[in-house]
Amino acid sequence: EVVMTQSPATLSVSPGERATLSCRASQFVSTNLAWYQQKPGQAPRLLIYGASTRATTIPARFSGSGSGTEFTLTISSLQSEDFAVYYCQQYNDWPPLTFGGGTKVEIK
Amino acid sequence: QVQLVQSGAEVRRPGASVKVSCKTSGFMFTGYYMHWVRQAPGQGLEWMGWIDPNSGGTNYARKFQDRVTLTRETSTRTAYMELSRLRSDDRAVYYCAREVGGTVVFFDYWGQGTLVTVSS
Repeated sequence: EVVMTQSPATLSVSPGERATLSCRASQFVSTNLAWYQQKPGQAPRLLIYGASTRATTIPARFSGSGSGTEFTLTISSLQSEDFAVYYCQQYNDWPPLTFGGGTKVEIK
Repeated sequence: QVQLVQSGAEVRRPGASVKVSCKTSGFMFTGYYMHWVRQAPGQGLEWMGWIDPNSGGTNYARKFQDRVTLTRETSTRTAYMELSRLRSDDRAVYYCAREVGGTVVFFDYWGQGTLVTVSS
């Protein structure tokens, strides 16, 4: 099973600042990686797939990068609606599909 | 528009079973695999399995293989997840999620979630 590890667990950022979230895979997953955003009481929302392709309607301030085992989600200028938990998910080697433990982006 | 609407919250005793529904609209139900993902309180996301609504074929995570059953009813465009022999640690929100399709397996639409509580 591919283990996905996200860091940090919590990221404190001021509105307007840049946020950089990391996701590491325990083995090679190519660019078969997605990122989701989840707000309290809501289902996850797809942000990025293929490691770097933004999903439909996702603002350009969200960008993804990386390949192999190391991935990054960057939010260039945090807006109030971006404070949430973010999950990465690999779909290169499955079953099972596996998710990271999440990074909570909170207001500093 | 694409919608996945799940059934309401459930409470069950340990050892019982629960069946959660996911009624879909706005897309060709038989054209997209449907997955189930759960989330324990304050925890991350855990994949449970998928169903091909066209054939009824399924694939389950090893952890749940002997307790979960995914089914579908094409006439009502509804997918179902049944989990048996419930334990207290099965308390979670259960989501259905539509797979994008093709060779890539991520999820573009999700149900709103169904909270299952297991308590004696």
